[in-house]
Amino acid sequence: EVQLVESGGGLVQPGRSLKLSCLASGFTFSNYGMNWIRQAPGKGLEWVASISSSSSYIYYADTVKGRFTISRDNAKNTLYLQMTSLRSEDTALYYCARHRYYGGYNDYWGQGVMVTVSS
Amino acid sequence: DVVMTQTPVSLSVSLGGQVSISCRSSQSLVHNNGNTYLSWYLQKPGQSPQLLIYKVSNRFSGISDRFSGSGSGTDFTLKISRVEPDDLGVYYCGQGTQYPYTFGAGTKLELK
Repeated sequence: EVQLVESGGGLVQPGRSLKLSCLASGFTFSNYGMNWIRQAPGKGLEWVASISSSSSYIYYADTVKGRFTISRDNAKNTLYLQMTSLRSEDTALYYCARHRYYGGYNDYWGQGVMVTVSS
Repeated sequence: DVVMTQTPVSLSVSLGGQVSISCRSSQSLVHNNGNTYLSWYLQKPGQSPQLLIYKVSNRFSGISDRFSGSGSGTDFTLKISRVEPDDLGVYYCGQGTQYPYTFGAGTKLELK
């Protein structure tokens, strides 16, 4: 069974940093690209970042470019999102999702981890 | 960026009824390789989104044939027949043809 479990969220002050993790199981993690997608309270879905299976290709939304860094450790079956210079508008539920690049879709999603940026 | 426009914003349906949700993109979603990367997701209350349909019309594993996707280019439709209580929630279309990936704003399906 494919499982994605996010962790690392919490309350953080504006301008500070936070690192999210997503532990994958039930599939060969190193064979799949991964995405971070977020959802502000009561709002829709916003794609944040993508990383290919071997980390060769990385993409970011303009809203986070230069502040967030997506990475992965295939030996640990873990996806990361390092977030710096956090803003109130980054407050959201952050999902990791398995990405099927040659289908352009996300077939499995984690339960999400909440990040609240507030003073 | 590709803007995804979903209509309607909300939809009321009776159990057993049929509904259609429209999704239009501001640019063609046909990829250079000829595929069209339009997918549909359902987010049930308090849950993560789940994949229903990918590449316009392909049902994901375990998804009922009551769900069907169609369309091409910039116009796409999700149809749900014989609506059941478990179908209620917010439906999103999403494009994976070009970065940045984008989603529609969602269509909330409620009981009449």
